[in-house]
Formats: sequence, C-alpha cells, structure tokens
Amino acid sequence: GQNIDQPTEMTATEGAIVQINCTYQTSGFNGLFWYQQHAGEAPTFLSYNVLDGLEEKGRFSSFLSRSKGYSYLLLKELQMKDSASYLCAVREGNAGKSTFGDGTTLTVKP
Amino acid sequence: DSGVTQTPKHLITATGQRVTLRCSPRSGDLSVYWYQQSLDQGLQFLIQYYNGEERAKGNILERFSAQQFPDLHSELNLSSLELGDSALYFCASSVGEGKGQPQHFGDGTRLSIL
Repeated sequence: GQNIDQPTEMTATEGAIVQINCTYQTSGFNGLFWYQQHAGEAPTFLSYNVLDGLEEKGRFSSFLSRSKGYSYLLLKELQMKDSASYLCAVREGNAGKSTFGDGTTLTVKP
Repeated sequence: DSGVTQTPKHLITATGQRVTLRCSPRSGDLSVYWYQQSLDQGLQFLIQYYNGEERAKGNILERFSAQQFPDLHSELNLSSLELGDSALYFCASSVGEGKGQPQHFGDGTRLSIL
C-alpha cells in the first residue's frame, strides 16, 4: 500500500510563487504525477517525474527525490485561475494503478 | 476537452438499486481507469482495464464490477446501492498500460443515492 501526504490548504498572492509538497511511502515506486482539479471538474495532467530532479513546464515545475520519497510542485507568477486543488499521484508497479493524495486546495488572492 | 466521454452526467437513484456508468476513452487509448471521489475522501482508484483485460485492481467493492468491450468503451456496474455510494465517478484513459503516461479524465458521473 501507499501513504501520500500533502498539505490540505495553502494560500498565496497573485504574482507570487508557491511550492506544494508531497511525501509518499511505497513499495514499488514507478513514477509521480501532479494533476490540477478545479471544483466539480475533472483532474487535468500537469507533470510527471520518474527520475530525480526538476521538470519544468512553463509556469509549472515539479521536483522529485526518490530516496526521500518527496516531490514538490512549484507554481510561478500565480494567477487567480490557479486557485484549484492540486493532486499528487504515485504510480506503483508496472500497470497504470496510481494512488492519489487527498489534494492541496490552493487559494490565490489579489 | 479531454476526449474522454462519460454518460450519464448525473444519476439519481434509490438504495438497493443497480446502475451502469459508461465511458468512452480517447481515440487510440487502450487503457481505461475508474475512480470514485466522494466529499470526505480523495480520488480512490477502483480498477484498470487494458485492451479488454483487467490490469490492476484497487479498493473496489464486491458490489461493483466493470468491463471493457472490444470497441474499448467501458462500463462500471454498481449494485445494491447504499447511501455511501453517492460520489463522483471518474473514468480516465491512457495510451498504453500506464508507464509514464498521463491519464486523461472524463467529466465524471455524479451519482446521488436517495
């Protein structure tokens, strides 16, 4: 089984930078995904890490340390539309089974 | 638009009933995943099918079953429904079995049990 921990809520200011952390424990780690989910909508894919290091995609970056069981999602130049829940998901084994964290609700204020 | 289609969007039924949720994956995707999301829990993985075969199983109740048909669409059957089954049910799809591939989610079916 897996344990995935993320902060429940975070607040940040428009234009700022925010880092959302995710820690996990798993017996068969095979990749970590970040998804964004607006209230009542479907999750949408943001990033994927399987090797240690930083993956950058525009205003979004994601970092992974497999030895520490740790990842973070970095959001730069925050916009009001970034207010959403951010889900960390860990893939285990060779199939597509991914276990999701409970999500971090980010509120961006003017 | 993710390209994943789920029907119906909303479903209201009573305890003890049975319902079927339907999912059509993105064109070219062979894997279909089912998730349950309720208010007090996060996204819970139920089951994955790949090209018609069951590939991975999560915390799916025995009252629930799923299948993937030759045209790759999938159905999730929920029976002997209980109040606690009220939730948003998402279907997602990916190209292959899941290695390094993101899952693309449908808009979900909101199931309400009265």
